Amino acid sequence: NAGVTQTPKFQVLKTGQSMTLQCAQDMNHNSMYWYRQDPGMGLRLIYYSASEGTTDKGEVPNGYNVSRLNKREFSLRLESAAPSQTSVYFCASRKTGTSGGTYEQYFGPGTRLTVT
Amino acid sequence: AQSVTQPDIHITVSEGASLELRCNYSYGATPYLFWYVQSPGQGLQLLLKYFSGDTLVQGIKGFEAEFKRSQSSFNLRKPSVHWSDAAEYFCAVASTGGGNKLTFGTGTQLKVEL
Repeated sequence: NAGVTQTPKFQVLKTGQSMTLQCAQDMNHNSMYWYRQDPGMGLRLIYYSASEGTTDKGEVPNGYNVSRLNKREFSLRLESAAPSQTSVYFCASRKTGTSGGTYEQYFGPGTRLTVT
Repeated sequence: AQSVTQPDIHITVSEGASLELRCNYSYGATPYLFWYVQSPGQGLQLLLKYFSGDTLVQGIKGFEAEFKRSQSSFNLRKPSVHWSDAAEYFCAVASTGGGNKLTFGTGTQLKVEL
């Protein structure tokens, strides 16, 4: 049982390049989330997907797009990377539903992205 | 809008000493509160959570937290700190609608002196 997995672990991009961060969970959770973590700012929500087929903006969505590929996978895409997007990106998932849904989220190990 | 304040950016304690990390929240309804821990280069691990009921909640690794509605606080405590507790600690509050998003505090970095 791997929980939440993220690829890649590290990435260096040049300004203007694009890339997709991958996230997958094997806990059969309905909701998935993307956060970025910057020093002194905690974690801030970029996008989330409350259930398969839906996505919504979070606090800092500009410059990002997401795809909820299926129930397991939720990807984050940077179309034209900027130095301000240098950060650590975390994916998380949460169990929802009337039978045992909870509010806590489970996090992946993160992707450290540097944009030069 | 909901918010979380962790007033201490850094805290240093000696191994074996007691620990209290402060967290204040702002939320209009009954809050769902969490403490997470992040070791260097790692993801976030859930330490404990409060939804309702007993205001003193126990978590993993010997941590506990007390919910005080009158003070809008959810402070994390440990009676005796171990060197392996050195990490960054985040308090968070969940919304009960709109995707049940978590709002995090800015974190408290704990250093343990041997």
